[in-house]
This record gives sequence, structure tokens and C-alpha cells, in this order.
Amino acid sequence: QKEVEQNSGPLSVPEGAIASLNCTYSDRGSQSFFWYRQYSGKSPELIMSIYSNGDKEDGRFTAQLNKASQYVSLLIRDSQPSDSATYLCAVNIRGNTPLVFGKGTRLSVIA
Amino acid sequence: KAGVTQTPRYLIKTRGQQVTLSCSPISGHRSVSWYQQTPGQGLQFLFEYFSETQRNKGNFPGRFSGRQFSNSRSEMNVSTLELGDSALYLCASSLEQGLTNVLTFGAGSRLTVL
Repeated sequence: QKEVEQNSGPLSVPEGAIASLNCTYSDRGSQSFFWYRQYSGKSPELIMSIYSNGDKEDGRFTAQLNKASQYVSLLIRDSQPSDSATYLCAVNIRGNTPLVFGKGTRLSVIA
Repeated sequence: KAGVTQTPRYLIKTRGQQVTLSCSPISGHRSVSWYQQTPGQGLQFLFEYFSETQRNKGNFPGRFSGRQFSNSRSEMNVSTLELGDSALYLCASSLEQGLTNVLTFGAGSRLTVL
């Protein structure tokens, strides 16, 4: 069973703090990883993609990948109330297989 | 550049009816994927079409079907609707398949089955 797991939350952080969102996946052969953000009542939108071990930074967002531990995370620095949303982790095992999504972590940034 | 367009945005049906949802991908995108999103199950993959061919199919009953036209537009159909089919149906398009392939989602079609 190919699975992507996330803590459903809610994860509450104060404004200005670092939010840390975690995701584990079961298929060791997984090769590409994505973080999507979904506001309530809206559709998912891509925040970050990461394909190799290590960190990838884009503005206030940092994605971290550790394939040996089958673990991918998203850090949000200087969290803002506008970051309050559900964050979906998605994994692509092989290029011709569908993207598998976790159930998402709900983040609440408290002003 | 227009995004992914899904119609209708909202619809209400009764048990036993059938429904057809439409998706127009981003211009130039040849791959269209469909997902069902419910609060309990999250995003569940339905099927993927590429150049009018179904490339992948999720674990859904045969009541769920789809197709893709030569202009890459896609439709999905659900027959003999059940209460449990109430969900947000999301269509996503991408340039092609591949590990670095990024899905861009439409706004979704919210189906309520009474």
C-alpha cells in the first residue's frame, strides 16, 4: 500500500514563529515530492517541489527531504495569519504514476 | 494564460442520477488528472488521461468513468449516484507525465447527492 502520512493537526503557531510541517511516505522508491497549500473552500496550489536530499529554500518556505528516513518537511519562517491553510504533501513514485497525496495538516497562525 | 476551468462549479443531484463534469486544461497541457476530495479521505486519485488515453486509474468502482478529447478537454461521469459520492471533484492539468511534472488544479466541482 503506497501511503503518504501527515499529522492532521491543527498545528497552531503564533505570528512570526516557524511552522514545521512533516510528512512520511512508505515507498522507498519515491522520487519527487511536492507541497501544496489549500485554503478553505479553494483548490490546492503548489508551494514547493523537491527532488533530491537536502534543503530547498524559496522565500519564507524551506522544503527538506531525507530519502533514507522517508521523510519530507516544510518549514514556514515568520508565519503570517495568511499562511493559515491546509498543507498537502504529495509524492510521485515514478514518472508515469499518479501523484499520491497525504490527507493534509491544518495550520493556524495566531495573530 | 487561462488556468484550469471546471464546470459546473456546484451541483445537486439525487441518488440514482448520473452526472457529467467537465475540465478544460491549461493551453498546451496534454495530461489531465481527476481527484475526489472528501473530509475523511482527503484527495483520492480517480484517473489520468494523456493524449486521449487513460494512463492510470484509481481504486474506484466502474460507475466512475472519464474520457479526454483531442483538444485535451476532459469529462468524467458518475452513474447511479450514491450519497457517498458527495465530494469536491478536482481536475488538474500538466504538460506531460514525468517526475518533475507539476499539477495545476482547477477550482473544482462540488457535488452534493441527496
